[in-house]
Amino acid sequence: RKEVEQDPGPFNVPEGATVAFNCTYSNSASQSFFWYRQDCRKEPKLLMSVYSSGNEDGRFTAQLNRASQYISLLIRDSKLSDSATYLCVVNTNAGKSTFGDGTTLTVKP
Amino acid sequence: GAVVSQHPSWVICKSGTSVKIECRSLDFQATTMFWYRQFPKQSLMLMATSNEGSKATYEQGVEKDKFLINHASLTLSTLTVTSAHPEDSSFYICSALHQGLGQPQHFGDGTRLSIL
Repeated sequence: RKEVEQDPGPFNVPEGATVAFNCTYSNSASQSFFWYRQDCRKEPKLLMSVYSSGNEDGRFTAQLNRASQYISLLIRDSKLSDSATYLCVVNTNAGKSTFGDGTTLTVKP
Repeated sequence: GAVVSQHPSWVICKSGTSVKIECRSLDFQATTMFWYRQFPKQSLMLMATSNEGSKATYEQGVEKDKFLINHASLTLSTLTVTSAHPEDSSFYICSALHQGLGQPQHFGDGTRLSIL
């Protein structure tokens, strides 16, 4: 079993749709959590950190459930520009990062 | 925000050439930098962890004599692909970890390496 698992996708949604991605992690010592997006042939870019209380940044909402070792990312009112691969990243206190394989989102007109 | 610069962004070389890639953290000190490789339509694969002033830690299956890593300062790590062959062609990405607990990695722009 992988340390970080994500919905494989792909997710194909129309513009304006709401889409949610899930991520589970197996290392209970994990301390910090992030969502990155990666466009085709580009480097990953930090989208947002994920906090226990949940956090929102515009159309994006991230949530963390430590008891279930589960992270989610919700995108509301999807735009064409949201099409990308979304990576779930989990860090331990030692600074080790583990990446999920990513979930591909395609937003269509 | 934090910026990591990676150079060069694109390299095309003949087989047998050694290629050096630089990764710099521009506005913060990075005691730890990471080197990844990504093949088309595949996920990032961690190659090694580079620690300033000490030897790099390589992931299983990554040849340390093939992929030489030097982290001579808090803002610079280099990866040298020695005697590169076509199977080494890939997208190489570095990242730097900001000091402090709970900080995210910041990635360089990546280097697309093509070996003919």
